[in-house]
Amino acid sequence: GENVEQHPSTLSVQEGDSAVIKCTYSDSASNYFPWYKQELGKRPQLIIDIRSNVGEKKDQRIAVTLNKTAKHFSLHITETQPEDSAVYFCAASVDTGRRALTFGSGTRLQVQP
Amino acid sequence: GAVVSQHPSWVICKSGTSVKIECRSLDFQATTMFWYRQFPKQSLMLMATSNEGSKATYEQGVEKDKFLINHASLTLSTLTVTSAHPEDSSFYICSAGGPVSYEQYFGPGTRLTVT
Repeated sequence: GENVEQHPSTLSVQEGDSAVIKCTYSDSASNYFPWYKQELGKRPQLIIDIRSNVGEKKDQRIAVTLNKTAKHFSLHITETQPEDSAVYFCAASVDTGRRALTFGSGTRLQVQP
Repeated sequence: GAVVSQHPSWVICKSGTSVKIECRSLDFQATTMFWYRQFPKQSLMLMATSNEGSKATYEQGVEKDKFLINHASLTLSTLTVTSAHPEDSSFYICSAGGPVSYEQYFGPGTRLTVT
């Protein structure tokens, strides 16, 4: 089955700096890669996703890049703000047949004011 | 649109008792729902995939006789934790497959504490 590895496990940045979180996956059949933000005790919230027919996608301060050859994808957050502090999870799936998500281990991001 | 609810949001039960958690898609029909479990400071781990009208598919290591899943309608799936033990204490989150095949919509989660 799919295996998703995520790094780093914790990340502390100063407000205004950029944050980068990286994930690798093992199953070449995976072609849907969402990123979730989870606050303590809450449900995961989708913040951005990418499918394998594109290499990069951007939404305001958030961007995701995908290298399908190397089987890795990354989340980039620019101009970080204290409210960006949360746990971020990457995930991988196949975009047909309603498949379950395989999650990475999570990154705890702390943005220092 | 694409709202998923879970009930209860939290529950405390005694060891040996059973607890039922409901997952509902409120404004769409979900032929497939997923149940995840999340221990403190850990990731979401898939427990089972639930398809309406058929038996759930359980992940390796998940006891199907302990975690009973029923998906009797297109808007409701239930997870029953039978003979709960303290090690079953966790955050249980369901998700439902939306109209677009790869999208999933998460419920707010249920915090189960077994004493």
